Amino acid sequence: DAGVTQSPTHLIKTRGQQVTLRCSPKSGHDTVSWYQQALGQGPQFIFQYYEEEERQRGNFPDRFSGHQFPNYSSELNVNALLLGDSALYLCASSFLGGVGQYFGPGTRLTVT
Amino acid sequence: ILNVEQSPQSLHVQEGDSTNFTCSFPSSNFYALHWYRWETAKSPEALFVMTLNGDEKKKGRISATLNTKEGYSYLYIKGSQPEDSATYLCAFISNAGGTSYGKLTFGQGTILTVHP
Repeated sequence: DAGVTQSPTHLIKTRGQQVTLRCSPKSGHDTVSWYQQALGQGPQFIFQYYEEEERQRGNFPDRFSGHQFPNYSSELNVNALLLGDSALYLCASSFLGGVGQYFGPGTRLTVT
Repeated sequence: ILNVEQSPQSLHVQEGDSTNFTCSFPSSNFYALHWYRWETAKSPEALFVMTLNGDEKKKGRISATLNTKEGYSYLYIKGSQPEDSATYLCAFISNAGGTSYGKLTFGQGTILTVHP
């Protein structure tokens, strides 16, 4: 079992650009959640996808959007990047209704 | 806005010492509390999922307790080893407005360094 995988590992973008991050959930999981971890803080919930729809959303602007595919994998898109979007982005997968979440290693995004 | 606080922010101990950390969370609308261990450059690893007041869980030298009425959880490490060095995160799930299975609200973490 490969667990939760994320790509790319690192990414450098320029302010104003757009970025797409990818996540493949653990085998058998149907729900994907995304978190942002800024330096010195705990991870912050961005949103959760189930059955290809956004099920819950945290306090993030509309510049942050996502998608879930029929195979349960997911993308996180961020438009009009700001310097403050520099962070580690974590993906977590779970069963809908399950309390356990499994995390990937994250994608480190640097915006210059 | 849910507030989850962890203390201390960082901790340095000697090999063999026992240590403990605290996680404080809202005492209302409790659904579950997670503890994660996060080593540098790796994925956060789930240690415990706690759902009932009075829960006590143990995994090797690591154990955790839960008090939902007063809104705190303790994580204990007995006989710390250098390989225990990591960031320990707690995360709260609220059932306010219906069950929120997926939305983890994290504390800022406790960074543990165990010196040989």
